[in-house]
Amino acid sequence: QQQVKQSPQSLIVQKGGISIINCAYENTAFDYFPWYQQFPGKGPALLIAIRPDVSEKKEGRFTISFNKSAKQFSLHIMDSQPGDSATYFCAARGEGNTPLVFGKGTRLSVIA
Amino acid sequence: GAGVSQSPSNKVTEKGKDVELRCDPISGHTALYWYRQSLGQGLEFLIYFQGNSAPDKSGLPSDRFSAERTGGSVSTLTIQRTQQEDSAVYLCASSPGGTFITGELFFGEGSRLTVL
Repeated sequence: QQQVKQSPQSLIVQKGGISIINCAYENTAFDYFPWYQQFPGKGPALLIAIRPDVSEKKEGRFTISFNKSAKQFSLHIMDSQPGDSATYFCAARGEGNTPLVFGKGTRLSVIA
Repeated sequence: GAGVSQSPSNKVTEKGKDVELRCDPISGHTALYWYRQSLGQGLEFLIYFQGNSAPDKSGLPSDRFSAERTGGSVSTLTIQRTQQEDSAVYLCASSPGGTFITGELFFGEGSRLTVL
């Protein structure tokens, strides 16, 4: 049973373009939604996170859009660069001390 | 150390052998998590420790998998009688007080296990 569904599995974007990755969830008790970035051979690292009381959070070129009623959230990478090429995971945290549940990941390739 | 340290970084073993994977979390982090990363399967939660106790073992795939944590620090994940489907990257993460408090997990680089 997959609690967080992520799409697409892979994405190729031209340098300077916008990368968009989407996630959907079912559990309305989720209260924290982070995105993690993973480079080959490395562990995932927190990129940006949002809580359900706001609809958007922006940090530099990275923006999370959150739609509570639709139970969806997305990551937008503006002015995508080759250095952004990595695997991106969305995640969600349930109530209490439950661990993060992750989507299956999106492999992003930014080509010049 | 400055980050989460895992060893070995790579392990090749034969089917049926036991393996131990070690995780050394960031100093002072009380929460420790094990995840498994398989191709196309994302990050699968295995087990979580708060201090030395494991309040959530729900992700362990079978009784061949076990984990312990001693002294509120180092953790060992043991896989007995390894099977080919156990081949994956095993990731360890720590956080200051569990995701409930801070939300951020700090991951190690993982231990890549290959079962022949």
